This record gives sequence, C-alpha cells and structure tokens, in this order.
Amino acid sequence: DAGVTQSPTHLIKTRGQHVTLRCSPISGHKSVSWYQQVLGQGPQFIFQYYEKEERGRGNFPDRFSARQFPNYSSELNVNALLLGDSALYLCASSLDPINYGYTFGSGTRLTVV
Amino acid sequence: DQQVKQNSPSLSVQEGRISILNCDYTNSMFDYFLWYKKYPAEGPTFLISISSIKDKNEDGRFTVFLNKSAKHLSLHIVPSQPGDSAVYFCAASTRNSGNTPLVFGKGTRLSVIA
Repeated sequence: DAGVTQSPTHLIKTRGQHVTLRCSPISGHKSVSWYQQVLGQGPQFIFQYYEKEERGRGNFPDRFSARQFPNYSSELNVNALLLGDSALYLCASSLDPINYGYTFGSGTRLTVV
Repeated sequence: DQQVKQNSPSLSVQEGRISILNCDYTNSMFDYFLWYKKYPAEGPTFLISISSIKDKNEDGRFTVFLNKSAKHLSLHIVPSQPGDSAVYFCAASTRNSGNTPLVFGKGTRLSVIA
C-alpha cells in the first residue's frame, strides 16, 4: 500500500522563479494538508484541502497557493520565490479534516538560490 | 509567538534507560496533543496522542502525560533503544472547537547511546 508520495524530492530554483510541488495522498484519504519546515523549526501549517475545497490557510503570503484535484491529489504553488522559501515542504493526508491520523510524506526539499 | 515550546533542543540517553521529552504550550484552547518522530530524509511519523480529557496515555514503550494546569506534556520512552534516535515533535490542536491545523514545537533531537 503506497503512502503519501511527494514529487520532486529535491529541487533548486532561482529567486523570482515559480515552483509547483505535488502530492498524492494515501488511497481513500480525501484531506490533504501542506506544511513548511525550515531548518531547526517544526513544521508550520500552510494549507488544508478537503473534497477539493480549501478548509484552512496558515499565515503565509499570497505568493503561496494550492489546489486539490478530483482524485484528491494536490499541488502547492509558490510564486516569486525568495531565499527564505528554502525549506522542506511536507504534505500530509488524512481521511477527513477532523481525523488527526495524519500521514506525512517524505517531503520536497526546496532550495532557492 | 510560539504556542508550543520544546525547550530542550537535544537529549542523550543510554540504551535501556528512560527518555523523557518535554513540551509546554501557551494556548489554553488546545485540547488534543500528539507526538511525532522524524528520521532524516523522512516525513514525521505519528507516535502517540492524548486528549485533554485524559492525563495519561500508553502505547507499548511510549507514554504521554498531560498536566493541563501547568500546560505541560511529556513523552516517556522506556526502555530507550538505539532505533529511537530521531527528532521528536510535540504538536497541539483545538479539536473540539472545529478543525484547526496542528501547531508544532521546534523538536527535540534524541540520541540513544548503545
């Protein structure tokens, strides 16, 4: 049984560029959440989606956006990249927004140069 | 403003001994608490949780204690094993007030020495 899969695993972008990160939840999980983990910090909430609708948004600028597709996979988009966006981006899936049985993927390591 | 604090960045324990990881929180609305373990190059893995209606929850070698009056929780690992070496994150949420996302502490790196 596949867990939460994220792609790519690593990427390097230049300041000002745009990036798209992808997440496939566990089969049957309809809720996807995105977290950003900066080195030395705990994961910080960015977005949650359930049944293709946004259910929550963290304290991140409008450069960050996301969406969920009919198959429950999700994309996180970041525009106008800054050096400070360098982080591990984690996707977590759960059956529903109230179920805290979150399963995390291994993350995408984004480096902005 | 950190709502969930793990004040010990690192902890070293000998194999077979007890590991105690601590976590403090400031938001009195938090009513659900979780511990996650993270190995390098992997995502966090759920370990154990506790609801605010309880003060203790056990699962095998792992026990979480909650002291609501002190806004403090701790994770006990007995006996500690080398495979327990990882970063441990405490997380909290206001589950009964509707869905809110997890708020994580900065983590504590546990090293279990053989």
